[in-house]
Amino acid sequence: DQQVKQNSPSLSVQEGRISILNCDYTNSMFDYFLWYKKYPAEGPTFLISISSIKDKNEDGRFTVFLNKSAKHLSLHIVPSQPGDSAVYFCAASARENAGNMLTFGGGTRLMVKP
Amino acid sequence: DTGVSQNPRHKITKRGQNVTFRCDPISEHNRLYWYRQTLGQGPEFLTYFQNEAQLEKSRLLSDRFSAERPKGSFSTLEIQRTEQGDSAMYLCASSSLRTVSYEQYFGPGTRLTVT
Repeated sequence: DQQVKQNSPSLSVQEGRISILNCDYTNSMFDYFLWYKKYPAEGPTFLISISSIKDKNEDGRFTVFLNKSAKHLSLHIVPSQPGDSAVYFCAASARENAGNMLTFGGGTRLMVKP
Repeated sequence: DTGVSQNPRHKITKRGQNVTFRCDPISEHNRLYWYRQTLGQGPEFLTYFQNEAQLEKSRLLSDRFSAERPKGSFSTLEIQRTEQGDSAMYLCASSSLRTVSYEQYFGPGTRLTVT
């Protein structure tokens, strides 16, 4: 049972345009959501997060939106740059989870074309 | 702060052999996690330590897997009698109890190939 899903395995956008990566979850106990970026041969790197008490969090070019009623979150990257090309993972955690373990989606490969 | 380090980065072993991986977390982090990632999937939780105590184990962690964190510093993950299905990237992450957020910081991983 996949509790966190990223339904688009890949996304291609032009440099300078907006990239929108989507994530859906099923467990209503999740109360914290994170996005990680992963380059080949490296571990995931934390990007941005959002608590369930908020519906938006912004950090520079990156904004995460949370729609609790739809159990959906999205990551917006504006403007997209070629260096943003990577695999992006959505992750979720619940206070009830032991040690705040993270449940990850399957990832979306973003390709930003110059 | 040198980040989370993992050794070795790559390991090729024959089926049936034992392997051990090491993780050195960020020095002030008291929580340490092991995850496994297979091709095309996101990382999956295996186990976690708070200081030296192993507090949670996933059902993914079969009896052939054992993890330790002596003295609450580095951690080791051992796989006995490896099987081809154990081939994966093994990721270690750490976090601090002092921070309110749930962010975990990952190492580069150990890629295991079982032939």
